[in-house]
This record gives sequence, C-alpha cells and structure tokens, in this order.
Amino acid sequence: KNQVEQSPQSLIILEGKNCTLQCNYTVSPFSNLRWYKQDTGRGPVSLTIMTFSENTKSNGRYTATLDADTKQSSLHITASQLSDSASYICVVSPRLNRLAFGKGNQVVVIP
Amino acid sequence: DTAVSQTPKYLVTQMGNDKSIKCEQNLGHDTMYWYKQDSKKFLKIMFSYNNKELIINETVPNRFSPKSPDKAHLNLHINSLELGDSAVYFCASSQGDRGIDYGYTFGSGTRLTVV
Repeated sequence: KNQVEQSPQSLIILEGKNCTLQCNYTVSPFSNLRWYKQDTGRGPVSLTIMTFSENTKSNGRYTATLDADTKQSSLHITASQLSDSASYICVVSPRLNRLAFGKGNQVVVIP
Repeated sequence: DTAVSQTPKYLVTQMGNDKSIKCEQNLGHDTMYWYKQDSKKFLKIMFSYNNKELIINETVPNRFSPKSPDKAHLNLHINSLELGDSAVYFCASSQGDRGIDYGYTFGSGTRLTVV
C-alpha cells in the first residue's frame, strides 16, 4: 500500500471555480510535506512546503493545509485558471529516508 | 536557462537496443536523482548520487546503469531495452543528501518508447 494516497484521482472544474485536493499519508515521523504541480510534458515544480508544525501555507491562488494529527493535507485552488490544468503531487519527506510520492490529482480546468 | 536539463526529450527505439539519457544541472546541487514515471503517473526513485557517490539504488534491473562523471552530471544507460521500460524518466537535483527534501528541481523528462 502506498504511503501517500491522493483523492480525487481526477477532477474537471469550470474556469473561475475553486477546488480542493486531498492527500492522506501514513509516513511517520516526517520532516516536511510538499505539493508539486506537474504540467503535461514537464517536470514537477514545487508549490508549497510545510513542516510538521505548520498548518497552512499559501502561494498565490494555491493554499495548502496540514493536519499532522490526522495525517492529512489539502491543496485548495482559488478562482481556477486554464493554466491550473495539471497533475498535483503530494510528497512527504520522512526523516532520514526517501521521499514518498502520491500518484497525483489530475485537474482539468475547462472554459 | 534551464536549471536541470536532460536529453533527449523523446526517445523511440526498438526492443533490445542500448540507449542513454543525459542529465546536467547548473544549480551547484550536491545530489542528483533518476526517477521513473509510469503510465499511471506514479514517480518512483531509481537512483541517487551525492557528489558522484551512489547513495540510493532501488530494485532496478541491472540493465539500468547510472554514471556520474561529476556532481553536475548524471547519465542513465539502459541495455537490452524491453517494452516495459517505456515510461517518462525524470532527472532531478537537490542540495544535501540522503533523500531529505531540501527542495528538488526536476528536469522536463525524457519520454522513452520501446517498440
């Protein structure tokens, strides 16, 4: 079983609407949690990073939250744009170990 | 300028051939990685080098052989290519080692198609 599970697997939203992506993990203890955005045909690019003690982190229209007690994180996209169409990957960094990747949330924004 | 560059971007080859993918980073990072992303978009680490030293070597067929001539370069050579090797291969780099996420910078990927 993967240590990082993301839902929904894919999502279609209208331009201008908001959406929330979920990430549940079992990695423990962990150093930090990142959300990456991967555009089609490109490599992943880091959006946000949160340490164990942080609850929320924003990057423009992207807001990530973290609940270390329930081992859940979410990425909220506000006022979606066509350029937000991408895969969003949750990555958890265990201490002294390898990164644990989720399979990604595929988001498609339609006009 | 691209911070992590890999070539070629696309590679189509026949089964049984040997091919190489090259990666270079100009960020001054100590650690470089090769990841494989399969058709289900799952990123899986293959190898990691820190200052030319192999530090992560996942259960990967020995047909795959990484080579790091210096800390700015990490190439991937694949012998006797098989259909199942078709995937997108990403090179990445980071500062620090042991897989701790100090911030990864990924290349744009090499889409390998074995026919």
